[in-house]
Amino acid sequence: NAGVMQNPRHLVRRRGQEARLRCSPMKGHSHVYWYRQLPEEGLKFMVYLQKENIIDESGMPKERFSAEFPKEGPSILRIQQVVRGDSAAYFCASSPSETGENTEAFFGQGTRLTVV
Amino acid sequence: GQNIDQPTEMTATEGAIVQINCTYQTSGFNGLFWYQQHAGEAPTFLSYNVLDGLEEKGRFSSFLSRSKGYSYLLLKELQMKDSASYLCAVFNQAGTALIFGKGTTLSVSS
Repeated sequence: NAGVMQNPRHLVRRRGQEARLRCSPMKGHSHVYWYRQLPEEGLKFMVYLQKENIIDESGMPKERFSAEFPKEGPSILRIQQVVRGDSAAYFCASSPSETGENTEAFFGQGTRLTVV
Repeated sequence: GQNIDQPTEMTATEGAIVQINCTYQTSGFNGLFWYQQHAGEAPTFLSYNVLDGLEEKGRFSSFLSRSKGYSYLLLKELQMKDSASYLCAVFNQAGTALIFGKGTTLSVSS
């Protein structure tokens, strides 16, 4: 059973370009969470999705960032018109149901985005 | 809102015992998680406490006091491979996702 798969592992974009980060949850998991981690900072919650639904996007910046989790295929975190401040590690996590109820979230290896 | 405090750094020697503390303030408590994260890698689950008391799992134990808003992670018989960041997390106000502290970087030396 493969773990949470994120790709690419490393992504370099020029300012103004678009970045697309992909996350395939563990088999049987229908809940996906995206986090951002800046150097020397903790994991910052961005968005929580279930298949075809955004449940909680309270951590998403209001502009340029969007996320989706379609019925088929991976979850996508999309950053438009990237700026240097978007450089960070972006982690995806998945769980079979809502985290809690003694159900932990499993994390992917992350995508390290560098904006030049 | 939520607030989580952990020491930034700790050091210890091989074979020793170390306790990493975490204090939190949250509206509505649904459990506390500890994760381990090695540099450049994914966080991995260590423990989940929802009731007061000590949960032991091999060399690692986690304690929770809900009345004090306090938890600790106890690592025994430290090994070099335990050098990592240890993240404390509680649920956000909506109860939909984990909110993490900044993590405690533990350095184990020989």
